[in-house]
Amino acid sequence: DVKVTQSSRYLVKRTGEKVFLECVQDMDHENMFWYRQDPGLGLRLIYFSYDVKMKEKGDIPEGYSVSREKKERFSLILESASTNQTSMYLCASSTGTNSKVAQYFGPGTRLLVL
Amino acid sequence: AQSVTQPDIHITVSEGASLELRCNYSYGATPYLFWYVQSPGQGLQLLLKYFSGDTLVQGIKGFEAEFKRSQSSFNLRKPSVHWSDAAEYFCAVGAYTGGFKTIFGAGTRLFVKA
Repeated sequence: DVKVTQSSRYLVKRTGEKVFLECVQDMDHENMFWYRQDPGLGLRLIYFSYDVKMKEKGDIPEGYSVSREKKERFSLILESASTNQTSMYLCASSTGTNSKVAQYFGPGTRLLVL
Repeated sequence: AQSVTQPDIHITVSEGASLELRCNYSYGATPYLFWYVQSPGQGLQLLLKYFSGDTLVQGIKGFEAEFKRSQSSFNLRKPSVHWSDAAEYFCAVGAYTGGFKTIFGAGTRLFVKA
């Protein structure tokens, strides 16, 4: 089974802190994604990556950056956390280069910014 | 623009009753359609997917969905709901918008009453 793990289930940070969310997948997937999930808004894509050291902006990249130094690891960085970044963050991975592929999700990190 | 609409924010059904969750999509090309389920505190899990062929697709946990091109719909059904089906359900479409992405609906939360 594909396994996608996220470094923390719950995280509490202060405004202005730099925050790292880590995601690791163990199935050699090329594609990795970061979403945020908010009630009534579904999942919104922050950044995605199709290969090592490659990144593309999603629909809501402002205030975030990412890093993919190894194929299995995709990190989301909040350079200076703000209260409006309080949310559930979901990492996902997939293989293949078309829209048919399903994504495999991690359990999520619930981030609270005070 | 590509979009997915789930008209019902939440639905309550009695255990043993049938279930239908609605999903409408907007996409110019052949849609690749998915249903995911998110149990409380968990990431998303794929229930089923449709690419082509038979418009009635079977998924895990006894779920099925029917693709109706004329109505731009992909509704999820289950003949008899179990208490363990209480979760949030997301409809999604695989699309190409400057990259291969998945566009998610806002979700429908299912409550099951005894």
